[in-house]
Amino acid sequence: DAKTTQPNSMESNEEEPVHLPCNHSTISGTDYIHWYRQLPSQGPEYVIHGLTSNVNNRMASLAIAEDRKSSTLILHRATLRDAAVYYCILRASNDYKLSFGAGTTVTVRA
Amino acid sequence: SQTIHQWPATLVQPVGSPLSLECTVEGTSNPNLYWYRQAAGRGLQLLFYSVGIGQISSEVPQNLSASRPQDRQFILSSKKLLLSDSGFYLCAWSVLGEKLFFGSGTQLSVL
Repeated sequence: DAKTTQPNSMESNEEEPVHLPCNHSTISGTDYIHWYRQLPSQGPEYVIHGLTSNVNNRMASLAIAEDRKSSTLILHRATLRDAAVYYCILRASNDYKLSFGAGTTVTVRA
Repeated sequence: SQTIHQWPATLVQPVGSPLSLECTVEGTSNPNLYWYRQAAGRGLQLLFYSVGIGQISSEVPQNLSASRPQDRQFILSSKKLLLSDSGFYLCAWSVLGEKLFFGSGTQLSVL
C-alpha cells in the first residue's frame, strides 16, 4: 500500500488559516487522496478527497501538487471546533479499504 | 438519509468473557461495512471489512471474528476476551469505498 507522511502536530490561532501537509511520494496514478478528521472521543469524519485537481468544499480545500507526490489540506479559518487529529490517506481506485496512519494533531489557540 | 447505529456506547467485560458488538446501517443498500479498533492513544486499525452478506475479510490475526448475517448488519464477536482487546471499536460504512461514515463507537474495557 502507498504510504503517507504527516507531521505529528501543528498549532494554529483561531480564525487563521491552517495548512496541513501530506507527503505521498509512492502514490500511483489511480490512488485517491482522502482526508478525515477525528475529534476527541468520536469516530472519524470525512473531510475531502481528490485525485488530480484541487478540490473545495464547505469544510476545507485540498491542494494537490502537480506531480501528486504531496498534498495540502487547507482550513481557511480555524475555529476551536477544528481541533482534531487529521488523517491523510491514499485509497486505490479498486480498493475498498482505508488504512489510517497516525495523523496530525491540530491544536487551535483562542 | 443514511444513518449508522452502533451499540453499546460503553462496555466493561471481564477477561475470558464473550463479546458481541452490533452495527446496523439504515437508508442504503449493499454498503461496504468495516470494523476498526483504536487502542488508547493510538491510531485506527482496520480489523474486518465486508463487501456483501457472508463476505468477510480479516486484516489482522486476532482474537476477534466478524459476521454479516444481513445486508446492513455487521457483528463483531469474541469467544473469550483478552486484556489486549480493550479499545475504542468503530463501525463504518461506505459505498464502493468512497466516503466512510463512522458510528459513534463502543469503548470496551476488559478487566
